[in-house]
Amino acid sequence: SAVISQKPSRDICQRGTSLTIQCQVDSQVTMMFWYRQQPGQSLTLIATANQGSEATYESGFVIDKFPISRPNLTFSTLTVSNMSPEDSSIYLCSGNRGTYNEQFFGPGTRLTVL
Amino acid sequence: KNEVEQSPQNLTAQEGEFITINCSYSVGISALHWLQQHPGGGIVSLFMLSSGKKKHGRLIATINIQEKHSSLHITASHPRDSAVYICAVLQSNFGNEKLTFGTGTRLTIIP
Repeated sequence: SAVISQKPSRDICQRGTSLTIQCQVDSQVTMMFWYRQQPGQSLTLIATANQGSEATYESGFVIDKFPISRPNLTFSTLTVSNMSPEDSSIYLCSGNRGTYNEQFFGPGTRLTVL
Repeated sequence: KNEVEQSPQNLTAQEGEFITINCSYSVGISALHWLQQHPGGGIVSLFMLSSGKKKHGRLIATINIQEKHSSLHITASHPRDSAVYICAVLQSNFGNEKLTFGTGTRLTIIP
């Protein structure tokens, strides 16, 4: 299995600022993903983080708002830019090893925007 | 209508009771995951199954592909089982894979 850690675990931010969330895996994974879980909602895929190239975004999510980096096979960052209260959510990082048979999730980052 | 529906949305039970959480889906899938989310937000994968039944400790997961339905059972429930349980289905289409999540079932076990 793989263990995924995220920093920060939670944060309270002011409107208009940006926050970068880090995701670190203790071993190599093939694919890494970023999800958002708004209060009372299911997880929604934001994007697939591709190593060394631009992330692949899902409909409704854009790079200017959610820039993502993945410099290597064990690390990725998600930035939530120009935040508004509607961005208050749990942001989760996940990874797998080529198939969804092994899907690992991080502990999540709980973001509150005032 | 959501592609993945779970029931019940909330479930409160006494310690020791047998728990069943249901998941129905409306799309063709290649596999189904049951996940556990604790209050802090972190998610643990409990099962991945594509047919039949799997058992791990007090947890049992079953799936009926024809009926597009899966159940998660917890025997001899304990307060530490209190969490949100999420069903997620995996769709594969021309090499592209996508996980679609249910909204979860919040389980509370009272001592």
